[in-house]
Amino acid sequence: NAGVMQNPRHLVRRRGQEARLRCSPMKGHSHVYWYRQLPEEGLKFMVYLQKENIIDESGMPKERFSAEFPKEGPSILRIQQVVRGDSAAYFCASSPNTALYEQYFGPGTRLTVT
Amino acid sequence: TQLLEQSPQFLSIQEGENLTVYCNSSSVFSSLQWYRQEPGEGPVLLVTVVTGGEVKKLKRLTFQFGDARKDSSLHITAAQPGDTGLYLCAGLNAGNNRKLIWGLGTSLAVNP
Repeated sequence: NAGVMQNPRHLVRRRGQEARLRCSPMKGHSHVYWYRQLPEEGLKFMVYLQKENIIDESGMPKERFSAEFPKEGPSILRIQQVVRGDSAAYFCASSPNTALYEQYFGPGTRLTVT
Repeated sequence: TQLLEQSPQFLSIQEGENLTVYCNSSSVFSSLQWYRQEPGEGPVLLVTVVTGGEVKKLKRLTFQFGDARKDSSLHITAAQPGDTGLYLCAGLNAGNNRKLIWGLGTSLAVNP
């Protein structure tokens, strides 16, 4: 059973460009979470999605950031008009529909904005 | 606001030593998860504790959930360089819409 897949692993964008991060959850998992991590700051929750629905986006900036988890295909985190402060590691996690809500993480996408 | 505090923030020890790291909160959690993250990788789930007072062992790692389900500890016996990493705890409040509350982690370095 393949784990959570994220691509690309590394992404370099110039200021003002768009960054598109992809996440394929583990087979059978219908819950996806996106996190952002900076050194010394820990994991910051951004958004929680189920298929075709955003359940909780309380951690995601209201401007420039959006996320989707379509019926078919991977979950996408999109950052428009990137700024240097968007440089970070972005992790996706998926969980099965069980009461323990255990999360399984992908390897992350490291975004560098130049 | 629910918070999980982890201590110590950093720990550097010699191979063979024992250590304990802590995860504390003033809030009650229905369960608590421990993860380990290595540089450049995503966190990996180690264990989930659910019942107050529960103890789980994973080889040289012993996890305990506090009786009141507000705190947890991780004890490593005879640490090895392969134990090096960031240890994260995350608590689940069943009423919190499946969103885990994360600590900032304990960064452990085990020197050969």
